Amino acid sequence: ETGVTQTPRHLVMGMTNKKSLKCEQHLGHNAMYWYKQSAKKPLELMFVYNFKEQTENNSVPSRFSPECPNSSHLFLHLHTLQPEDSALYLCASSQQGDTGELFFGEGSRLTVL
Amino acid sequence: AQSVSQHNHHVILSEAASLELGCNYSYGGTVNLFWYVQYPGQHLQLLLKYFSGDPLVKGIKGFEAEFIKSKFSFNLRKPSVQWSDTAEYFCAVNAYNTDKLIFGTGTRLQVFP
Repeated sequence: ETGVTQTPRHLVMGMTNKKSLKCEQHLGHNAMYWYKQSAKKPLELMFVYNFKEQTENNSVPSRFSPECPNSSHLFLHLHTLQPEDSALYLCASSQQGDTGELFFGEGSRLTVL
Repeated sequence: AQSVSQHNHHVILSEAASLELGCNYSYGGTVNLFWYVQYPGQHLQLLLKYFSGDPLVKGIKGFEAEFIKSKFSFNLRKPSVQWSDTAEYFCAVNAYNTDKLIFGTGTRLQVFP
């Protein structure tokens, strides 16, 4: 149990499907993040939310749409993805104003056919 | 822009061997430095961190890292590795007082009995 829960753990979708990834943190943090982890590449920061407000969009294509309804929940809505979007998507949380330490979930493994 | 380089992509050691994983970053200002570890099938978790003070920091499971400001380096060390240290190790940096944690590509460590 990491304090950050991601669902689903595995997702297979076609390029025309619409799906969503969900993240919930039980740590009382006020910042949440989406990272993309692909083989042999650095973890790529996608989005950052502080106090439910998006503070970072790291040039992510619009086929990825984040949503943060409150400080404990974060979604990543997926639409018209490409096979190269297949990766492990990691959610993390932190206490803004703290030292920058992130707490990660176990990730959602996405495969786009 | 900040970046993190981990030059060792794959390291193979026998138990009891000494370990040193390299990490260099590019950023001229004050930084916070981290090493995260990802054991097979598990989530990313913090191994150790440096914010200020003694440049030699000690983390969990006998790991330590040394911050050398003049070399922009934060190498991870362990005097004697164990089979259970088999994992992927990620170096990360964020500029002081920001919420963007930038990761390296990771180093896969395999330890054989």
